[in-house]
Amino acid sequence: GAVVSQHPSWVICKSGTSVKIECRSLDFQATTMFWYRQFPKQSLMLMATSNEGSKATYEQGVEKDKFLINHASLTLSTLTVTSAHPEDSSFYICSARGPWVQETQYFGPGTRLLVL
Amino acid sequence: AQSVTQPDIHITVSEGASLELRCNYSYGATPYLFWYVQSPGQGLQLLLKYFSGDTLVQGIKGFEAEFKRSQSSFNLRKPSVHWSDAAEYFCAVELMDSNYQLIWGAGTKLIIKP
Repeated sequence: GAVVSQHPSWVICKSGTSVKIECRSLDFQATTMFWYRQFPKQSLMLMATSNEGSKATYEQGVEKDKFLINHASLTLSTLTVTSAHPEDSSFYICSARGPWVQETQYFGPGTRLLVL
Repeated sequence: AQSVTQPDIHITVSEGASLELRCNYSYGATPYLFWYVQSPGQGLQLLLKYFSGDTLVQGIKGFEAEFKRSQSSFNLRKPSVHWSDAAEYFCAVELMDSNYQLIWGAGTKLIIKP
């Protein structure tokens, strides 16, 4: 199957700093990418959907000024957590899919963020 | 409203025994259905998917699932589980009219008894 990478796999930062997480589709063109947040022992919570070259669509309750998403190319999307606080500590997962109707979302391995 | 229900939070089976994980969905259009597996601290791996055609679909690692439109179900099965199958399993339906978002079930944690 297709491969999606995420970098970094884990990050520890101080409160008030910004953290950037990269999501790359390695062997296919990802016209749509998704960013999820997962709390311990819970299902995935969709944060936003981004289409290449367009502004991301954020889910209700997700602060777009805090979680900046850029999808500048067909293989790269980035999530920047600005002015991170301890409550932003979580497991962030990206996924990507191609342009056709019958497509599969492929997931990255996730990034664990710890804000001190 | 669209939803996916996985009624079992945990399931415990003995190694070598058969397995069935339940998934029911609510979606007005033709559903595209998926099963993913997540090992602790990892991303999600696709087990299998249903788009159309044969309602019994085969996946990786010996898993299969059957789409039953009349029951709005897409149950996952495996004839003989291995200890390495212990993980969290998620069922999802894709919303084609909402930028292909996935609606997720709550997940079922599979525990394997030796």
